[in-house]
Amino acid sequence: DAKTTQPPSMDCAEGRAANLPCNHSTISGNEYVYWYRQIHSQGPQYIIHGLKNNETNEMASLIITEDRKSSTLILPHATLRDTAVYYCIVRVVGTGTASKLTFGTGTRLQVTL
Amino acid sequence: DGGITQSPKYLFRKEGQNVTLSCEQNLNHDAMYWYRQDPGQGLRLIYYSQIVNDFQKGDIAEGYSVSREKKESFPLTVTSAQKNPTAFYLCASSSGLSGANVLTFGAGSRLTVL
Repeated sequence: DAKTTQPPSMDCAEGRAANLPCNHSTISGNEYVYWYRQIHSQGPQYIIHGLKNNETNEMASLIITEDRKSSTLILPHATLRDTAVYYCIVRVVGTGTASKLTFGTGTRLQVTL
Repeated sequence: DGGITQSPKYLFRKEGQNVTLSCEQNLNHDAMYWYRQDPGQGLRLIYYSQIVNDFQKGDIAEGYSVSREKKESFPLTVTSAQKNPTAFYLCASSSGLSGANVLTFGAGSRLTVL
């Protein structure tokens, strides 16, 4: 699986958009980008994933650059409840193996008043 | 509601004792996983199971054992051979081999060795 690089921490004011970057310059053509988040002392929660097109769901938007070497997770109107560690993961789909995702140290997002 | 139930939430153990952490899911998922998380660190895969009666070692399986006798259940035993067992343990499940890598996690079990 391709390695990902994320900033260790970010701050965001409540009500503003939170833009979390992820670098995955060695990504392969069949690898998807996944985002999870982990609120303190809870299990991680799936947010969104994509291959090469931008994706949006009720939680967030995912913007993947045209060369697919980086992506940005956007929380459009951050709230205090979005304070968490956000993990960017790259993984192939449908290879016949279990989903052995690698969770690094992620980005700690602090949303403030 | 469908989900994953881990128990106990907190557990204290004396050195040299084995302890079993429970993980039950009612999502009808085929695959189940156990991860370990140390303070300030990411998650490390201990064991995973793709189907009933089958499981594979993850990255840090030494000192741990698992069983998968039922689709719904994937208990983890932390044995006395695990040298540093104090950690946060997370169980997860996914829909199967060709699933979209969407894992559902439980709330975790925090083990402290006294």
